Amino acid sequence: QVQLQESGPGLVKPSETLSLTCTVSGDSVSGGTYSWSWIRQPAGKGLEWIGRIYSNGQTKYNPSLKSRVTISLDTPKNQFSLNLRSVTAADTALYYCAREGISIFGKIDYWGQGPLVTVSS
Amino acid sequence: SYELTQPPSVSVSPGQTAKITCSGDALPNQYAFWYQQKPGQAPSLLIYKDIERPSGIPERFSGSSAGTTLTLTISGVQAEDEADYYCQSTDSSGTYVVFGGGTKLTVL
Repeated sequence: QVQLQESGPGLVKPSETLSLTCTVSGDSVSGGTYSWSWIRQPAGKGLEWIGRIYSNGQTKYNPSLKSRVTISLDTPKNQFSLNLRSVTAADTALYYCAREGISIFGKIDYWGQGPLVTVSS
Repeated sequence: SYELTQPPSVSVSPGQTAKITCSGDALPNQYAFWYQQKPGQAPSLLIYKDIERPSGIPERFSGSSAGTTLTLTISGVQAEDEADYYCQSTDSSGTYVVFGGGTKLTVL
C-alpha cells in the first residue's frame, strides 16, 4: 500500500520560505514509473497544481509559481521536498504531496493528508 | 493560461442522476480525470482516462467525453455522494496539470 506523509512547519512568516517534505512508503521515488507532485488548496477553494519531479530529478512547475518554487528529491530517504520562497498570506493553504502517473500521464492516484500551512507574522 | 470550467454547484435528490460537466479546449487530446473530495479529506481518484473506474469505485460513477466536454454521471445518487468533485487534465502541451474549479454536489 502506497502512503505519502507530509511534514514541516505549520506556520511561516511573510517573505520567508515555506518548506515541506513528503515521505513515501510502499513505492520508490527513484523507481521511474511515477513522478512526484505538490498540490495546494486554499481553505474553501479549489486545487492548484504546484509542480512535479521525476526520478531523474527533472522538474516541471506551474508557470504562475515557477519563479518561487523548487522541488527536490532525496532518494536515500525516499522523500521529495517543496520550497516556496517569498510567501505571502495568499500562500496559506493545505499542501498535498501526491504520486502522479507517467504511463497514464497526469493520473494522481495517491495523496498525502494535506497539512495546513499558514502564512502569518 | 489553460482552464477547465465546471459548474460551481449541482443539486439532486437521493436516487436521481447527477451530471457534472467539465469543459476545456485541450480535452480532446489529453487524458482527463475526476476526483471526489469529502470535507476534511484529501481528494480521491474516481475516474481516469476519461471513462475508466479504478478498482473499488462503485459502478454508479461513470465518465464520458464528447469533444471539449467531459461529463461525470452519478446514477442513483446516495447521501454519501455529497462532496466536491474536481476534473483534471493537462494543458495542450501535455506538461502542466490543470484542475477545474470544482463542483459541490448537494444531495437534497
